[in-house]
Amino acid sequence: DGGITQSPKYLFRKEGQNVTLSCEQNLNHDAMYWYRQDPGQGLRLIYYSQIVNDFQKGDIAEGYSVSREKKESFPLTVTSAQKNPTAFYLCASSAGRDTQYFGPGTRLTVL
Amino acid sequence: DAKTTQPPSMDCAEGRAANLPCNHSTISGNEYVYWYRQIHSQGPQYIIHGLKNNETNEMASLIITEDRKSSTLILPHATLRDTAVYYCIVRVALITGNQFYFGTGTSLTVIP
Repeated sequence: DGGITQSPKYLFRKEGQNVTLSCEQNLNHDAMYWYRQDPGQGLRLIYYSQIVNDFQKGDIAEGYSVSREKKESFPLTVTSAQKNPTAFYLCASSAGRDTQYFGPGTRLTVL
Repeated sequence: DAKTTQPPSMDCAEGRAANLPCNHSTISGNEYVYWYRQIHSQGPQYIIHGLKNNETNEMASLIITEDRKSSTLILPHATLRDTAVYYCIVRVALITGNQFYFGTGTSLTVIP
């Protein structure tokens, strides 16, 4: 069963803590992306990666970090430097510059 | 910069065609128009995309004007399950990779 998985679905963290969101794909896609969505808003690009060991900042990268050590995996760390981390986080992948396919999302709440 | 403009909400009667408009007046010649939809608290679902020709697949049809400044997504026979937020997106191809600019979309409600 091919697709993109994100875990966990819901995540709670205390203010000041770092937290890592998981994104895995078995579609053999080269490119992967992280987006943030706030209530009633569209998606905003945080980071993207076209190939392993390479990634680029998106429009709102401050307070976030990523790694791309394996083709299948693109974890996102929300650091304590992110001023307003409560949001819905979406991961996507694509075959090169082709259509992006999205995972089910992780809802992060800072307590 | 969302690059697209869509009405915030629309209603459609079940079984009728839903026509969702989108303006992208600043689109460049090599930028594609994509449509996705998002049901509450789920990941966006790909629907269709095109460059300048009209496109059709099993889900919908995409009509792009000749000047490419606007497009319309058509769901031929809307069902209750089509109730969702629909995003019209311009895909920008950069040297570092392609970027999708999501606006706030159109919230479509299909009415029984």
